[in-house]
Amino acid sequence: GAGVSQSPSNKVTEKGKDVELRCDPISGHTALYWYRQSLGQGLEFLIYFQGNSAPDKSGLPSDRFSAERTGGSVSTLTIQRTQQEDSAVYLCASSFRDRGDIQYFGAGTRLSVL
Amino acid sequence: AQSVTQPDIHITVSEGASLELRCNYSYGATPYLFWYVQSPGQGLQLLLKYFSGDTLVQGIKGFEAEFKRSQSSFNLRKPSVHWSDAAEYFCAVGAGGFKTIFGAGTRLFVKA
Repeated sequence: GAGVSQSPSNKVTEKGKDVELRCDPISGHTALYWYRQSLGQGLEFLIYFQGNSAPDKSGLPSDRFSAERTGGSVSTLTIQRTQQEDSAVYLCASSFRDRGDIQYFGAGTRLSVL
Repeated sequence: AQSVTQPDIHITVSEGASLELRCNYSYGATPYLFWYVQSPGQGLQLLLKYFSGDTLVQGIKGFEAEFKRSQSSFNLRKPSVHWSDAAEYFCAVGAGGFKTIFGAGTRLFVKA
């Protein structure tokens, strides 16, 4: 597709369950970012992938959060043993290279943990 | 540490009135600066960016922003607001390495 695609658009889960969120970046973009947007908050950086380099995971809030990027393209963000405070919109963005480049955002996945 | 402050959580303006959204940043070197807009249920879309050169930057949808180094500011302006401009606006700074630091956002309401 022409833009960044995220799925599902909405996810409702029960506390303690695991969830997987998917991001399909723009073809040819080497950089991929995950952010979390809580109600009334700005964007909280979670993780960054750049090409074949080791990802920077410094923004992940706990070891329940993990992400991978297969073949330098699609990325999956996994949250294990979800908690109510994990409820938020999870946004994915991609860019051609790095900080100097425009980030293109997906529409996000709204996660609700009951 | 790098940071971005948007002091106004929300702003209400009348349609046709001018708009200025404030943004202040903290960064040791010359930053890369961005303004993004987020409509309800959507991701963020770039309005404009500043990398170097002319400190007055023109963007899409009639928006502009001015980089003022002495004030560490990058305020967003539009001379005449349209109802379709109602959205949330995020200022961001491209900090060292890859990180982009986003402000908490300013929600714009437009009244008829």
